[in-house]
Amino acid sequence: DGGITQSPKYLFRKEGQNVTLSCEQNLNHDAMYWYRQDPGQGLRLIYYSQIVNDFQKGDIAEGYSVSREKKESFPLTVTSAQKNPTAFYLCASSLSTGGLSNYGYTFGSGTRLTVV
Amino acid sequence: KQEVTQIPAALSVPEGENLVLNCSFTDSAIYNLQWFRQDPGKGLTSLLLIQSSQREQTSGRLNASLDKSSGRSTLYIAASQPGDSATYLCAVREANSKLTFGKGITLSVRP
Repeated sequence: DGGITQSPKYLFRKEGQNVTLSCEQNLNHDAMYWYRQDPGQGLRLIYYSQIVNDFQKGDIAEGYSVSREKKESFPLTVTSAQKNPTAFYLCASSLSTGGLSNYGYTFGSGTRLTVV
Repeated sequence: KQEVTQIPAALSVPEGENLVLNCSFTDSAIYNLQWFRQDPGKGLTSLLLIQSSQREQTSGRLNASLDKSSGRSTLYIAASQPGDSATYLCAVREANSKLTFGKGITLSVRP
């Protein structure tokens, strides 16, 4: 079955550590996205990538970094500069990009990150 | 900047009731609108996708409508069941390919 796989499902980070969240898709989608979800705040866009080797900052990119070396993969690193990283992180992908955005998004099952 | 609003934040109904969930957005220059379902601790499952040129989409007991000019969408759920209990989110897609979400409506269907 085609889909998006996020791993791990749960992740614990110590203060000052960088951690990387994995997102892999086998849908042959062009665009990939990272969202953060906090209670009462809805989903907020962190980074997105419309093509391999290119990505753009979303609304809350500070303290995060990404790479897009392969079409299938879009890992998110939560750096020590992110002051409040405890949240639910969702990865998504979409077939079309740019102005011809007629396709919907497909989401992964999420990674819950907790600072300990 | 696009803003998407879903009111109320929570809704509780008895089983069997037909119900309507509302979604409004401020900028009508959208490419499509998508309704999602989210169960606690889970990812988002796409329910319906409506293109900007369409008025409605149907899937089983679900029907979503779109009035782009007035910035409104509704999700109609017929004959609600306890299994429909979840959070329902709407999101609009704009020319920059970004998706803007509402905060969701948490639905509880009582047996």
